[in-house]
Amino acid sequence: EVQLVESGGGSVQPGGSLRLSCAASGFRFSSYSMNWVRQAPGKGLEWVSYISSRSSAIYYADSMKGRFTISRDDAKNSLYLQMNSLRAEDTAVYYCARLWNDRTFDYWGQGTLVTVSS
Amino acid sequence: QSALTQPASVSGSPGQSITISCTGTSSDVGGYNFVSWYQQHPGKAPKLMIYDVSNRPSGVSNRFSGSKSGNTASLTISGLQAEDEADYYCSSYTSRSIVVFGGGTKLTVL
Repeated sequence: EVQLVESGGGSVQPGGSLRLSCAASGFRFSSYSMNWVRQAPGKGLEWVSYISSRSSAIYYADSMKGRFTISRDDAKNSLYLQMNSLRAEDTAVYYCARLWNDRTFDYWGQGTLVTVSS
Repeated sequence: QSALTQPASVSGSPGQSITISCTGTSSDVGGYNFVSWYQQHPGKAPKLMIYDVSNRPSGVSNRFSGSKSGNTASLTISGLQAEDEADYYCSSYTSRSIVVFGGGTKLTVL
């Protein structure tokens, strides 16, 4: 059974940093592209970042460029999102999602809440 | 502002059919047959309902169907049931090699 379990969320002041983790199991993690998708309270889904298998390609949404860094450790079956210079508008539930055939999010984690507030 | 445009809300009575549209451009919806639809109940993670415009993953009811014409994709739910009440999001692969989402549509079953 495919499982994605996020952790690392919490409350942080504006300008602060957080590192999110996503532990994957039930599939060959190294073979799949992975993504972070977020959802602000009461709002829609927003794609955050993409990392290909073997980390050969990495993309970010424009509002996250230069502040967020996606990475993966295939030996640990884990995906990460380092978030720096956090802003109030980054407050959201952050989901880890597996990307199938580079175009379909077929499995999602349960999400981890990040709250940026003074 | 989302990359893909969806109606904010739709509604229907049990047993009826509804259709949710998802409008993009030739750089996303119109350029690729890589549109997906997701269902999200409150407090839950999204669930894949349709992929590659019209394909259903194993376990998804055949009451859910997808189609596309030009730059607009559509999700149709037939035989509406109370449990279909949820938010629905479309997504599309784009010419920038990323996947973008629609703004979401709240489905109310009357």
